[in-house]
Amino acid sequence: AQRVTQPEKLLSVFKGAPVELKCNYSYSGSPELFWYVQYSRQRLQLLLRHISRESIKGFTADLNKGETSFHLKKPFAQEEDSAMYYCALRRYSGGYQKVTFGTGTKLQVIP
Amino acid sequence: GAGVSQSPRYKVAKRGQDVALRCDPISGHVSLFWYQQALGQGPEFLTYFQNEAQLDKSGLPSDRFFAERPEGSVSTLKIQRTQQEDSAVYLCASSLYRGSKGETQYFGPGTRLLVL
Repeated sequence: AQRVTQPEKLLSVFKGAPVELKCNYSYSGSPELFWYVQYSRQRLQLLLRHISRESIKGFTADLNKGETSFHLKKPFAQEEDSAMYYCALRRYSGGYQKVTFGTGTKLQVIP
Repeated sequence: GAGVSQSPRYKVAKRGQDVALRCDPISGHVSLFWYQQALGQGPEFLTYFQNEAQLDKSGLPSDRFFAERPEGSVSTLKIQRTQQEDSAVYLCASSLYRGSKGETQYFGPGTRLLVL
């Protein structure tokens, strides 16, 4: 069975400091990994996905299959980055997608 | 255009009451998902519809939970004889097709259910 682990419930960093939100996964197949973000009083939204190899709002994440990790990084935290971040794994079963989420990490950027 | 909408946004129920939660997906979206998010947890899969067909209901926690999407658009999640452990945020998400690589799920704002 697939599993997504986010070891930190809360991560507090000062504005301008680097950020790393950890995510580890277990899955026997070829994973498709995502990061979702939920700002205060807003809905859950996609931040980035590993297949796009993109940088969104200064965030990047690299899939490391050897370490089964997909950590989210940003070199310089901004106050507007404060939010809940969820790592998610998508697999395909019976011709459709199923997504497993981690428990989330609350990022708090201190001014 | 409009995103995924859900109603009601908040629902307080007495233990034993039945509740019905509504989801309006993005127009034309084939796939619709329901998730349950307990306090301090990530969303957990409940059930999946492809048009009007319910292809997966493996995540429904008990037979008190029932979902339908009779015309392939609006969906309703019904919980019978609610229990306190049903208190959670119920999220609905839709995607355009069946979820091929790169396709995005769009989430609604959720319905927060509190069972007293």
